[in-house]
Amino acid sequence: NAGVMQNPRHLVRRRGQEARLRCSPMKGHSHVYWYRQLPEEGLKFMVYLQKENIIDESGMPKERFSAEFPKEGPSILRIQQVVRGDSAAYFCASSPDGGNEQFFGPGTRLTVL
Amino acid sequence: QKEVEQDPGPLSVPEGAIVSLNCTYSNSAFQYFMWYRQYSRKGPELLMYTYSSGNKEDGRFTAQVDKSSKYISLFIRDSQPSDSATYLCARGANNLFFGTGTRLTVIP
Repeated sequence: NAGVMQNPRHLVRRRGQEARLRCSPMKGHSHVYWYRQLPEEGLKFMVYLQKENIIDESGMPKERFSAEFPKEGPSILRIQQVVRGDSAAYFCASSPDGGNEQFFGPGTRLTVL
Repeated sequence: QKEVEQDPGPLSVPEGAIVSLNCTYSNSAFQYFMWYRQYSRKGPELLMYTYSSGNKEDGRFTAQVDKSSKYISLFIRDSQPSDSATYLCARGANNLFFGTGTRLTVIP
C-alpha cells in the first residue's frame, strides 16, 4: 500500500515566485489536511479539504495561500508571491473518514531565497 | 494559552531506560489524543491513539490520559537507539493541534 505521497520533496523559489505543492492521499482516503512546520516550531494546521470542498481553512493565511482538492488528481497547496517567511516544511495528511487518525506524507521542504 | 503544551527537551537517556514524555492541554472538551514520532527530515508517524481517559498499551509503548489534570503521557519501556526521534503529542479534531515536540536521544 502506497502511503501519502508529496512532491516535490524539495522546492527552491525566489521571492515573488509561486510555489505549488502536491499531495496524493492514501488509496481510499478522501480527506486531506495540510500542515506547516516552521524551524523549531510544532506542526500548525492550515486547511482541511474533502474532494472538491474546503471544509476548514481556519489555519490558512488570509493572503497568497490557497488550496484545492479536485475530483481527479492530487490536492494542491499554492503559495503566490512567496516571501522568506514562507520557508518551512509543508506536510500533507490524509484520513479515510475525516476522523482523528491522520497519516502523514514525507513533506515538501520549501526554501525561499 | 496554547492548546497543547509540551516540554521541548532535549531528553537523553541510556539504552534500556524507561522514557516518560508528557504534555498538558487546555480544553477539557478534548476527547482524542495522539502521539506521533518524527525522525529527522521525515513526516510524522502515528504511534498511539487514545480516546478519553485511561491507558493504552502497544508493545513497548503506553499512552496515558488523565482528564482530571489534563495530562497526556507516553511511556517507552526498554528504550532503543532506534527510538531516537522527536515525539509529538496532539489533540484530535478535524484539525490536529500539536505540541512543539520533545527531542529524544537514546544513547547506546
